[in-house]
Parts: sequence; C-alpha cells; structure tokens
Amino acid sequence: DTGVSQDPRHKITKRGQNVTFRCDPISEHNRLYWYRQTLGQGPEFLTYFQNEAQLEKSRLLSDRFSAERPKGSFSTLEIQRTEQGDSAMYLCASSLSGERSEAFFGQGTRLTVV
Amino acid sequence: GDSVTQMEGPVTLSEEAFLTINCTYTATGYPSLFWYVQYPGEGLQLLLKATKADDKGSNKGFEATYRKETTSFHLEKGSVQVSDSAVYFCALSDRDGGFKTIFGAGTRLFVKA
Repeated sequence: DTGVSQDPRHKITKRGQNVTFRCDPISEHNRLYWYRQTLGQGPEFLTYFQNEAQLEKSRLLSDRFSAERPKGSFSTLEIQRTEQGDSAMYLCASSLSGERSEAFFGQGTRLTVV
Repeated sequence: GDSVTQMEGPVTLSEEAFLTINCTYTATGYPSLFWYVQYPGEGLQLLLKATKADDKGSNKGFEATYRKETTSFHLEKGSVQVSDSAVYFCALSDRDGGFKTIFGAGTRLFVKA
C-alpha cells in the first residue's frame, strides 16, 4: 500500500465552475477525513467518515460543498459554484478506528480559483 | 471545543543548535497528542506521538513529552540540521472530538548551515 492518494494534485478552475476531488485511503483504514489548508495556517477540519457514514461536518463546509464515500473506500469532495475564497490545499487523511490511532495524510489537491 | 496553540514562527537557528517549539492544548477529553512535519513541497508526515500522560514520543532525534498537568507537548531536538527545515504542526485528537485531528497553526523552522 502506497499510502493515501489524492487526485488531481493541482486544479485550476474558473469562478462559478464545479470541481470534484478524489481520495483513496489506506486500504484497511475505515475512517476518512477531509481538511482544508490555506497558506501559513494549519489544516482545518471539514468532514469525516466512518466507513460510508458521514459522521461530522464542520461549519466551514458550506452547502456548496458535498462529500461522499459510497462504499466505504474512496471518497469524493465536490465544490459547486467555486469562489476565489475556495482556493486552498484540500487534504485527505485516513486512520484506523482505534482510539489512539494517528491520521495518515495524502499529498493534497491544490485548488486555484481564477 | 478542543484547540492547540503553538509558538509563532519563523524560528531561525544555526546548525547544531538546540530546538524547542512550544505547544499547549485545550481538550475536554483525554487526547492523544502528535507532532506532524511538512517539508517544502511535500505532504504532512507524522513525526511522533504520545497517547497518555508522561509518555515521551521520539523520532529522528526529536522528542516531546505529554504533560497533562501543564497541558503541554513541547517539541525538542538537541542538534538541528539544515534538513530539519520545515513547518511543524502540533495536533491532538480525542473521543469527544470524534477522533478528528485538530492542528495548531504551525511553526516554520529555518536552519542555517
């Protein structure tokens, strides 16, 4: 297993367009997380899944954002009607369900909205 | 809610200097504590972790001790190298927070030869 992979690595889109990102977690991990990181800041939590169930969503996740994990494996994060303020690095992480398990992060998808 | 506060950067040191990056946390539960590192152009990597009070996490010469009484998890290294230049993030996760990882703002370290 090569770790958490994200696709694409970079995305440039025009304001108002929709974008979708994919995350493939480490295969035995049943928890999957999405974060957003802007320049000079730590990652901010967006949402997380336990298997296919979305258990928590941050207030940062406006109704233009939707995430799915249909079969409890890969996940997608869609942003509709993108805005310039959506420009950021979107990080995916996965972990085991044990109480003391650490999260393993992907390389991220850098989104630029022009 | 849970939060992590770490010292602001950048921190600039000469090679072989001693490093301390301070980190304190607020948590309603009994969290696990982590240090992650982000090297230029790379993703976040777990550097070390500690899961209970007085545990010491260590890796690559870095150490941090879980201090419940002072709610701290300071990162230390006795002799830094140029290759340690990176951004360091203190983080926590706990049951009350649904096990999501909460990060500090990060501290950028520059090590000069």
